[in-house]
Amino acid sequence: AQSVAQPEDQVNVAEGNPLTVKCTYSVSGNPYLFWYVQYPNRGLQFLLKYITGDNLVKGSYGFEAEFNKSQTSFHLKKPSALVSDSALYFCAVRGQGSARQLTFGSGTQLTVLP
Amino acid sequence: DAGVIQSPRHEVTEMGQEVTLRCKPISGHNSLFWYRQTMMRGLELLIYFNNNVPIDDSGMPEDRFSAKMPNASFSTLKIQPSEPRDSAVYFCASRTGSTNTEAFFGQGTRLTVV
Repeated sequence: AQSVAQPEDQVNVAEGNPLTVKCTYSVSGNPYLFWYVQYPNRGLQFLLKYITGDNLVKGSYGFEAEFNKSQTSFHLKKPSALVSDSALYFCAVRGQGSARQLTFGSGTQLTVLP
Repeated sequence: DAGVIQSPRHEVTEMGQEVTLRCKPISGHNSLFWYRQTMMRGLELLIYFNNNVPIDDSGMPEDRFSAKMPNASFSTLKIQPSEPRDSAVYFCASRTGSTNTEAFFGQGTRLTVV
């Protein structure tokens, strides 16, 4: 089985401050990990992914995520938050070699306060 | 490419009526996914196709739901008869056949069954 946990339904951060959106996962074997963002009344947009290699992955709009195998985590980060980053963020996982498709977390609503 | 195109964007129908949602995947993508998003259940995978063939429909909630992909550029999700609890946003997504590639989502169809 594979699963994703996003322990925080809501994250608030002041503009200009660093932000972190947490994600932990469970899969058999090695994972493929993804972050998506959803703006109101829009579909999900791909931000970044971890496949293999460097544990620090850089993606769109200045976001990055760090893969930590020992902690089975893939937290999303940004050094300086913008008001325009306010959106719903989804973490997703798939086990490498698995026949299963992506499993998404429940989402974290990020609000960046001006 | 225009991305994944879904129609209609909004659909309001009466209980008991048939509803058909449409999706045009990105050209060259050979995997297609239908998801449903609700506040209560989050993002659920309903069915996915590979090379126009349904691979896993275990997420389809009931026999009232059916999906087809008659060719590589078109898919439908049909609900017959519709019920108020089917009200949700339905997303279509597509990707290439490689399992480590990201999926691209359409903007969704917001279905309201009254």
